[in-house]
Amino acid sequence: AQSVAQPEDQVNVAEGNPLTVKCTYSVSGNPYLFWYVQYPNRGLQFLLKYITGDNLVKGSYGFEAEFNKSQTSFHLKKPSALVSDSALYFCAVRDIEAGNNRKLIWGLGTSLAVNP
Amino acid sequence: NAGVTQTPKFQVLKTGQSMTLQCAQDMNHNSMYWYRQDPGMGLRLIYYSASEGTTDKGEVPNGYNVSRLNKREFSLRLESAAPSQTSVYFCASSVFQGDSTDTQYFGPGTRLTVL
Repeated sequence: AQSVAQPEDQVNVAEGNPLTVKCTYSVSGNPYLFWYVQYPNRGLQFLLKYITGDNLVKGSYGFEAEFNKSQTSFHLKKPSALVSDSALYFCAVRDIEAGNNRKLIWGLGTSLAVNP
Repeated sequence: NAGVTQTPKFQVLKTGQSMTLQCAQDMNHNSMYWYRQDPGMGLRLIYYSASEGTTDKGEVPNGYNVSRLNKREFSLRLESAAPSQTSVYFCASSVFQGDSTDTQYFGPGTRLTVL
């Protein structure tokens, strides 16, 4: 069965330090992978996606993610965290088995807290 | 360009009451979705509409109905609300075009409480 796992419920990092939010996936075929961010009391916002090509994908707000096929991972990274990055982060993968019904499989989310 | 809009933003219902959550998008997207978000449960798909004129059940469709009114609008109806339907509801839309990547764009959400 296809799935997405975000192994950490919460990540704490000091402002200015690098941050990593982890995501692993299990799908048949080539994955389409996404990261979204949700600020308090807001809807989800698209950050970046991996479809094909370069394993390092750059997205909004200085975030990037590294696709690793052998480890089936798609970790979100930022070189220097800001307090304003504190939010809930979701990883998702396209549901390939859904065929033409365009659905995403979502992780449960990771709460990122950046401490001043 | 407003993106995805949802109404209302907040709603309190009594058990057994009905209501309709409205969603509209102005991005000419084909596909639309309704999710609910509960603490510790992530996002769960209630219903989706791959294209105008079609709707399909997601993971948690019981107690809900949907209508894809036209390409822009996708409504979610609770016929007889239950406390278990207390949640935050999100509408989303995406392009459905061949092998497109289906980035979903979300509305601001409706916070529903059922007493």
